[in-house]
Amino acid sequence: DIQMTQSPSSLSASMGDRVTITCRASQSIDNYLNWYQQKAGKAPNLLISGASTLQTGVPSRFSGSGSGTDFTLTIISLQPEDFAVYYCQQSYSLPLTFGGGTKVEIK
Amino acid sequence: QVQLVQSGGEVKKPGAAVKVSCKASGYFFTTYAIHWVRQAAGQRLEWLGWINGGNGNTKYSQKFQGRVTFTRDTSASTAYMDLSILRSEDTAIYFCARGRYSNWTFDLWGQGSLVTVSS
Repeated sequence: DIQMTQSPSSLSASMGDRVTITCRASQSIDNYLNWYQQKAGKAPNLLISGASTLQTGVPSRFSGSGSGTDFTLTIISLQPEDFAVYYCQQSYSLPLTFGGGTKVEIK
Repeated sequence: QVQLVQSGGEVKKPGAAVKVSCKASGYFFTTYAIHWVRQAAGQRLEWLGWINGGNGNTKYSQKFQGRVTFTRDTSASTAYMDLSILRSEDTAIYFCARGRYSNWTFDLWGQGSLVTVSS
């Protein structure tokens, strides 16, 4: 199984800050990497697929990059609605696996 | 409205089985797969497997093979997950999620169904 490791597991940031979350795969997954946002008590919501393709309706302050084993989710100018938990997920091979999540909290 | 609506929470005893439903609306059910993902408290999301909405073919995570069964009723646009021989570690929120056949990306999720296993 492909192991997905996210860092940090949590971070505190202020509104307007730039935030970077990293995700590392235990083997190369090309660009088969997706990012989800999950707010408390809700289902995850797809933000980015294929490592860098922003989903329709997702604000442009979100961006994704990377390929192979190392990936990044960046949020520029953090907004109040961005405080949530973010998960990466590899869609390269079965079983599909997720990172442990990064909780973005208000400083 | 494009959505997945799941059945309500369940409380089960160890050793019992649970069935969770996931009703799709607003899109052609047979043109997508339905995946099942669970989330235990404080744990990462865990993929259980998927069912082809069109032909009913299934693929299960090896961890759950033999204990989980996915079915679907195309006339009702509904997918089902049966999990048997429940143990306390199966206590979690179970989500269904829509996925395309061309990639395993979850672009639409149900609201989740809490399954509690307790004696």
